[in-house]
Amino acid sequence: DQQVKQNSPSLSVQEGRISILNCDYTNSMFDYFLWYKKYPAEGPTFLISISSIKDKNEDGRFTVFLNKSAKHLSLHIVPSQPGDSAVYFCAASDRYGGSQGNLIFGKGTKLSVKP
Amino acid sequence: EAGVTQFPSHSVIEKGQTVTLRCDPISGHDNLYWYRRVMGKEIKFLLHFVKESKQDESGMPNNRFLAERTGGTYSTLKVQPAELEDSGVYFCASAQQGLGYEQYFGPGTRLTVT
Repeated sequence: DQQVKQNSPSLSVQEGRISILNCDYTNSMFDYFLWYKKYPAEGPTFLISISSIKDKNEDGRFTVFLNKSAKHLSLHIVPSQPGDSAVYFCAASDRYGGSQGNLIFGKGTKLSVKP
Repeated sequence: EAGVTQFPSHSVIEKGQTVTLRCDPISGHDNLYWYRRVMGKEIKFLLHFVKESKQDESGMPNNRFLAERTGGTYSTLKVQPAELEDSGVYFCASAQQGLGYEQYFGPGTRLTVT
């Protein structure tokens, strides 16, 4: 049973507009969430993270929102650029539990930003 | 600063053969992780080293997989004997303890078992 779900396998957005990538999780013990970006034939690249004690974290064009009651997080990219086209993975961690920081990944969402 | 490196980038072996994958973490990172992505599926945790000790190997599929981290530096993951279902991309990641647990990934080794 998947603990981290990215229900949209793909998303297409026009350059300059906002991209919103969604992620849902089931394990209430998760206390840290991360977004990774992956280009073909490369490893995932860390993008942004958020602790469960916060509801928003911002870094330049990237903002992650966390809604703990809904067990939902989202990544906003504003404005979207063609270079943002990649697969985005949501990951979660139960840092102080049995897994001690091992990441649980979603299946990814492929973002295409069209010029 | 050099990132996480993995060798080889691609390996094609026959069923029953042995393959050894290597990972060099970012210098100074005590935490080293192995993950695997089978085609079409999510990236899944295999095991976690803290320095030279196995902290968690709950994700290892079976005893055909053996991971080592000699001296707390680089790590190897050996598959012996390889089976068809072992095909996938094997990622290594490292993290510096106490810094938010962001893990930095290598480019991966694509293993194809024929």
